[in-house]
Amino acid sequence: DAGITQSPRYKITETGRQVTLMCHQTWSHSYMFWYRQDLGHGLRLIYYSAAADITDKGEVPDGYVVSRSKTENFPLTLESATRSQTSVYFCASSEVPAGELFFGEGSRLTVL
Amino acid sequence: AQSVTQLDSQVPVFEEAPVELRCNYSSSVSVYLFWYVQYPNQGLQLLLKYLSGSTLVESINGFEAEFNKSQTSFHLRKPSVHISDTAEYFCAVSVGGGGNKLTFGTGTQLKVEL
Repeated sequence: DAGITQSPRYKITETGRQVTLMCHQTWSHSYMFWYRQDLGHGLRLIYYSAAADITDKGEVPDGYVVSRSKTENFPLTLESATRSQTSVYFCASSEVPAGELFFGEGSRLTVL
Repeated sequence: AQSVTQLDSQVPVFEEAPVELRCNYSSSVSVYLFWYVQYPNQGLQLLLKYLSGSTLVESINGFEAEFNKSQTSFHLRKPSVHISDTAEYFCAVSVGGGGNKLTFGTGTQLKVEL
C-alpha cells in the first residue's frame, strides 16, 4: 500500500546502545523529516532532507544521525542512546515546500 | 525565528457544544499556518491550512480557522463537536516561501464528553 511506514513501532533499548529507526515512503516525495514528540514540547524537528543526499539539522539534532541515499528512505540513528532520547519519533514527508506533511504512525522508543 | 503558542493544554467540552482552540504565532514575515489533528496512537493528519487568499479556511469535517494578521492568531473553531473529535490538535507555522520547516505548538487535547 502507498504511504509512509516506520519501523519498529516499539523499541526498548539500553543506555549506550545504537538504535536505528527506519522510515520508508512510497510517494517519491522530495522532502522528509524526523520529529520527536514529548509531553509539554509538542513536536520538535530533529533533521530534515530536501532530496537524496541532502540533509540538514533541525531544532534538536544532537545525538542523532541521518542519511538519505535513496529518495524513499530516511533512517534515523541514535549512535549512543541516552534516557533523554526516550520519546515518540515521527517521520513525515512532503511533496513541495509548505505543502501538506504526511506522517507515519510513529516509533515509540524507551531507553532504560 | 517563528514560534507558536497554544495556551490551552486541555479543553473539555460537551458533545454538540461549540469549541475554540487558540493558536498565536510570532513571526515578522509572512507565514503559512496549519492545524494538524492526532488521534490516539496515530500520526498527525492535516486538518486545514492557510497559505494565502481568504482568511477563513474550512475542513471537510466542520472545523474552521481564521487567519488574523493583526492579532497574529489562527484559532480553530467548530460550532458543534462530536465524540469522534476527541483528539490532540496541533497548530503549526512555517515562514512563507522559506522551505517546509514547520514549527509546532505544544498541542491542545480536546476531550468531548457526553
